[in-house]
Amino acid sequence: DIVMTQSPDSLAVSLGERATINCKSSQSVLHSPNNKNYLAWYQQKSGHPPKLLVSWSSTRESGVPDRFSGSGSGTDFSLTISSLQAEDVAVYYCQQYYSSPLTFGPGTKVEIK
Amino acid sequence: QVELVESGGGVVQPGRSLRLSCEASGFIFSRYAMHWVRQAPGKGLEWVTVTWHDGSKKYYADSVKGRFTISRDNSKDTVYLQMNSLRADDTAVYFCVRDGGYYDTNLYHYGPYDLWGQGALVTVSS
Repeated sequence: DIVMTQSPDSLAVSLGERATINCKSSQSVLHSPNNKNYLAWYQQKSGHPPKLLVSWSSTRESGVPDRFSGSGSGTDFSLTISSLQAEDVAVYYCQQYYSSPLTFGPGTKVEIK
Repeated sequence: QVELVESGGGVVQPGRSLRLSCEASGFIFSRYAMHWVRQAPGKGLEWVTVTWHDGSKKYYADSVKGRFTISRDNSKDTVYLQMNSLRADDTAVYFCVRDGGYYDTNLYHYGPYDLWGQGALVTVSS
Protein backbone atom coordinates (compact mmCIF):
# COMPACT_ATOMS: atom_id res chain seq x y z
CA ASP A 1 0.00 0.00 0.00
CA ILE A 2 1.13 3.56 -0.68
CA VAL A 3 1.41 5.47 2.59
CA MET A 4 0.61 9.18 2.49
CA THR A 5 2.02 11.57 5.06
CA GLN A 6 1.25 15.25 5.55
CA SER A 7 2.95 18.10 7.33
CA PRO A 8 2.26 19.99 9.43
CA ASP A 9 -0.56 18.37 11.39
CA SER A 10 -2.04 21.83 11.86
CA LEU A 11 -1.18 25.42 11.13
CA ALA A 12 -2.53 28.80 12.10
CA VAL A 13 -2.15 31.58 9.57
CA SER A 14 -3.21 35.22 9.65
CA LEU A 15 -5.90 36.36 7.27
CA GLY A 16 -4.37 37.29 3.93
CA GLU A 17 -1.18 35.34 4.57
CA ARG A 18 0.08 32.26 2.76
CA ALA A 19 -0.52 28.71 3.96
CA THR A 20 1.39 25.74 2.60
CA ILE A 21 0.62 22.08 3.27
CA ASN A 22 3.02 19.32 2.31
CA CYS A 23 2.21 15.77 1.29
CA LYS A 24 4.56 12.89 0.69
CA SER A 25 3.86 9.46 -0.78
CA SER A 26 5.86 6.34 0.06
CA GLN A 27 6.08 5.50 -3.65
CA SER A 28 5.96 7.62 -6.78
CA VAL A 29 2.46 8.36 -8.05
CA LEU A 30 3.73 9.60 -11.41
CA HIS A 31 2.39 7.55 -14.32
CA SER A 32 5.12 7.71 -16.92
CA PRO A 33 3.06 6.95 -20.05
CA ASN A 34 1.01 10.14 -19.63
CA ASN A 35 3.34 12.04 -17.28
CA LYS A 36 0.50 12.63 -14.81
CA ASN A 37 0.66 12.54 -11.05
CA TYR A 38 -2.29 10.66 -9.56
CA LEU A 39 -2.61 12.98 -6.57
CA ALA A 40 -5.61 14.95 -5.33
CA TRP A 41 -6.32 17.49 -2.60
CA TYR A 42 -9.60 17.72 -0.70
CA GLN A 43 -11.02 20.32 1.66
CA GLN A 44 -13.33 19.26 4.47
CA LYS A 45 -15.18 21.85 6.48
CA SER A 46 -16.67 20.90 9.80
CA GLY A 47 -19.84 18.84 9.43
CA HIS A 48 -19.53 18.54 5.67
CA PRO A 49 -18.23 15.93 3.23
CA PRO A 50 -14.84 16.50 1.62
CA LYS A 51 -14.71 18.58 -1.53
CA LEU A 52 -12.28 18.01 -4.38
CA LEU A 53 -10.02 21.06 -4.81
CA VAL A 54 -7.15 19.86 -6.98
CA SER A 55 -6.63 16.76 -9.10
CA TRP A 56 -3.63 15.43 -11.08
CA SER A 57 -1.43 17.28 -8.57
CA SER A 58 -2.05 20.75 -9.99
CA THR A 59 -5.39 20.95 -11.83
CA ARG A 60 -7.77 23.18 -9.92
CA GLU A 61 -11.41 22.07 -10.06
CA SER A 62 -14.02 24.29 -11.61
CA GLY A 63 -15.22 26.92 -9.15
CA VAL A 64 -12.25 26.60 -6.81
CA PRO A 65 -10.76 30.03 -6.09
CA ASP A 66 -7.41 30.65 -7.74
CA ARG A 67 -5.78 31.31 -4.37
CA PHE A 68 -5.58 27.50 -4.11
CA SER A 69 -2.75 25.89 -6.06
CA GLY A 70 -1.21 22.44 -6.10
CA SER A 71 2.29 21.50 -7.12
CA GLY A 72 4.82 18.69 -6.99
CA SER A 73 5.67 15.45 -8.74
CA GLY A 74 6.70 11.92 -7.97
CA THR A 75 6.53 11.63 -4.20
CA ASP A 76 6.48 15.24 -2.96
CA PHE A 77 3.53 17.56 -3.26
CA SER A 78 2.16 20.72 -1.77
CA LEU A 79 -1.06 22.70 -1.57
CA THR A 80 -0.74 26.46 -1.20
CA ILE A 81 -3.39 28.95 -0.20
CA SER A 82 -1.90 32.21 -1.36
CA SER A 83 -4.03 34.54 0.76
CA LEU A 84 -5.95 32.82 3.53
CA GLN A 85 -9.62 33.73 3.88
CA ALA A 86 -11.91 33.01 6.80
CA GLU A 87 -13.87 30.49 4.72
CA ASP A 88 -10.71 28.42 4.16
CA VAL A 89 -10.73 27.13 7.74
CA ALA A 90 -10.93 23.37 7.21
CA VAL A 91 -9.01 20.12 7.23
CA TYR A 92 -7.13 19.40 4.03
CA TYR A 93 -6.34 15.87 2.82
CA CYS A 94 -4.12 14.62 0.05
CA GLN A 95 -4.94 11.34 -1.67
CA GLN A 96 -3.20 9.11 -4.16
CA TYR A 97 -5.28 7.30 -6.76
CA TYR A 98 -2.31 5.72 -8.53
CA SER A 99 -2.82 2.28 -7.06
CA SER A 100 -5.31 0.36 -4.98
CA PRO A 101 -6.02 0.70 -2.15
CA LEU A 102 -6.50 4.40 -2.70
CA THR A 103 -5.05 6.10 0.36
CA PHE A 104 -5.36 9.44 2.08
CA GLY A 105 -2.98 11.48 4.14
CA PRO A 106 -3.92 12.04 7.80
CA GLY A 107 -5.08 15.59 7.17
CA THR A 108 -3.86 19.08 8.02
CA LYS A 109 -6.03 21.43 10.02
CA VAL A 110 -5.88 25.06 8.91
CA GLU A 111 -6.99 27.77 11.32
CA ILE A 112 -6.90 31.53 11.56
CA LYS A 113 -4.20 33.04 13.76
CA GLN B 1 -28.88 18.34 -10.08
CA VAL B 2 -25.79 16.16 -9.81
CA GLU B 3 -25.80 14.48 -6.42
CA LEU B 4 -25.42 11.36 -4.33
CA VAL B 5 -27.81 10.71 -1.47
CA GLU B 6 -27.04 8.06 1.13
CA SER B 7 -29.59 6.41 3.38
CA GLY B 8 -29.82 3.52 5.81
CA GLY B 9 -27.53 4.67 8.58
CA GLY B 10 -28.38 4.23 12.23
CA VAL B 11 -27.50 2.57 15.52
CA VAL B 12 -26.87 -1.16 15.46
CA GLN B 13 -25.60 -3.66 18.00
CA PRO B 14 -22.23 -5.38 17.56
CA GLY B 15 -22.48 -8.47 15.40
CA ARG B 16 -25.60 -7.28 13.61
CA SER B 17 -26.05 -6.12 10.02
CA LEU B 18 -26.97 -2.92 8.22
CA ARG B 19 -27.36 -1.96 4.58
CA LEU B 20 -26.56 1.48 3.22
CA SER B 21 -27.94 2.77 -0.06
CA CYS B 22 -26.67 5.60 -2.24
CA GLU B 23 -28.89 6.95 -4.99
CA ALA B 24 -27.31 8.97 -7.78
CA SER B 25 -28.95 11.62 -9.89
CA GLY B 26 -28.00 14.11 -12.55
CA PHE B 27 -25.36 11.99 -14.33
CA ILE B 28 -25.02 8.69 -16.17
CA PHE B 29 -24.48 6.45 -13.16
CA SER B 30 -23.59 3.35 -15.18
CA ARG B 31 -20.44 5.01 -16.55
CA TYR B 32 -18.75 5.45 -13.18
CA ALA B 33 -16.94 3.32 -10.66
CA MET B 34 -18.30 4.00 -7.19
CA HIS B 35 -16.60 3.83 -3.82
CA TRP B 36 -17.53 3.90 -0.17
CA VAL B 37 -15.21 5.90 2.09
CA ARG B 38 -15.66 6.16 5.85
CA GLN B 39 -14.63 8.57 8.56
CA ALA B 40 -14.62 7.58 12.21
CA PRO B 41 -15.57 10.37 14.66
CA GLY B 42 -12.80 12.95 14.77
CA LYS B 43 -10.58 10.88 12.48
CA GLY B 44 -9.38 10.90 8.88
CA LEU B 45 -10.69 9.33 5.70
CA GLU B 46 -10.49 5.60 5.05
CA TRP B 47 -11.29 3.92 1.74
CA VAL B 48 -13.64 0.96 2.24
CA THR B 49 -14.61 -0.56 -1.09
CA VAL B 50 -15.11 0.06 -4.82
CA THR B 51 -17.26 -1.39 -7.56
CA TRP B 52 -16.49 -0.83 -11.22
CA HIS B 53 -19.06 0.82 -13.46
CA ASP B 54 -20.67 -2.47 -14.47
CA GLY B 55 -20.16 -4.27 -11.15
CA SER B 56 -17.70 -6.68 -12.75
CA LYS B 57 -14.94 -5.98 -10.25
CA LYS B 58 -15.09 -5.20 -6.56
CA TYR B 59 -12.30 -4.58 -4.09
CA TYR B 60 -12.29 -4.19 -0.33
CA ALA B 61 -10.09 -2.80 2.42
CA ASP B 62 -8.57 -5.52 4.56
CA SER B 63 -10.46 -4.13 7.57
CA VAL B 64 -13.84 -5.05 6.03
CA LYS B 65 -13.01 -7.95 3.74
CA GLY B 66 -15.34 -10.89 4.30
CA ARG B 67 -17.84 -8.76 6.26
CA PHE B 68 -18.89 -6.00 3.85
CA THR B 69 -20.29 -6.39 0.33
CA ILE B 70 -20.69 -3.68 -2.26
CA SER B 71 -23.23 -4.01 -5.05
CA ARG B 72 -24.98 -1.78 -7.53
CA ASP B 73 -28.16 -1.66 -9.56
CA ASN B 74 -27.57 0.50 -12.60
CA SER B 75 -31.29 0.38 -13.48
CA LYS B 76 -31.96 2.18 -10.20
CA ASP B 77 -28.84 4.39 -10.22
CA THR B 78 -28.03 3.03 -6.79
CA VAL B 79 -25.02 1.52 -5.05
CA TYR B 80 -25.31 -0.46 -1.84
CA LEU B 81 -23.08 -1.41 1.06
CA GLN B 82 -24.12 -4.50 2.99
CA MET B 83 -22.35 -4.53 6.33
CA ASN B 84 -22.39 -7.74 8.37
CA SER B 85 -20.76 -8.72 11.65
CA LEU B 86 -20.44 -5.08 12.60
CA ARG B 87 -17.92 -4.07 15.22
CA ALA B 88 -17.50 -0.98 17.36
CA ASP B 89 -14.60 0.18 15.19
CA ASP B 90 -16.92 0.28 12.17
CA THR B 91 -18.59 3.30 13.76
CA ALA B 92 -18.18 6.10 11.23
CA VAL B 93 -19.81 8.36 8.70
CA TYR B 94 -19.95 6.43 5.43
CA PHE B 95 -19.63 8.47 2.26
CA CYS B 96 -20.68 7.31 -1.19
CA VAL B 97 -18.21 8.68 -3.72
CA ARG B 98 -17.97 8.89 -7.50
CA ASP B 99 -14.67 7.95 -9.14
CA GLY B 100 -13.47 10.26 -11.90
CA GLY B 101 -11.29 7.62 -13.53
CA TYR B 102 -11.01 6.38 -17.10
CA TYR B 103 -10.30 3.40 -19.32
CA ASP B 104 -7.11 3.19 -21.34
CA THR B 105 -6.91 0.21 -23.71
CA ASN B 106 -9.25 -1.83 -21.49
CA LEU B 107 -7.30 -1.03 -18.35
CA TYR B 108 -9.17 1.04 -15.77
CA HIS B 109 -7.32 3.88 -14.04
CA TYR B 110 -8.76 5.30 -10.88
CA GLY B 111 -9.39 9.01 -10.73
CA PRO B 112 -10.07 11.67 -8.13
CA TYR B 113 -13.25 11.53 -6.08
CA ASP B 114 -15.17 14.25 -7.88
CA LEU B 115 -18.58 13.84 -6.22
CA TRP B 116 -19.39 12.99 -2.59
CA GLY B 117 -22.62 12.21 -0.82
CA GLN B 118 -23.49 13.95 2.42
CA GLY B 119 -22.69 10.81 4.41
CA ALA B 120 -24.59 8.29 6.52
CA LEU B 121 -23.72 7.83 10.20
CA VAL B 122 -23.37 4.25 11.37
CA THR B 123 -23.01 3.73 15.11
CA VAL B 124 -22.20 0.26 16.38
CA SER B 125 -22.98 0.07 20.06
CA SER B 126 -24.71 -2.18 22.56
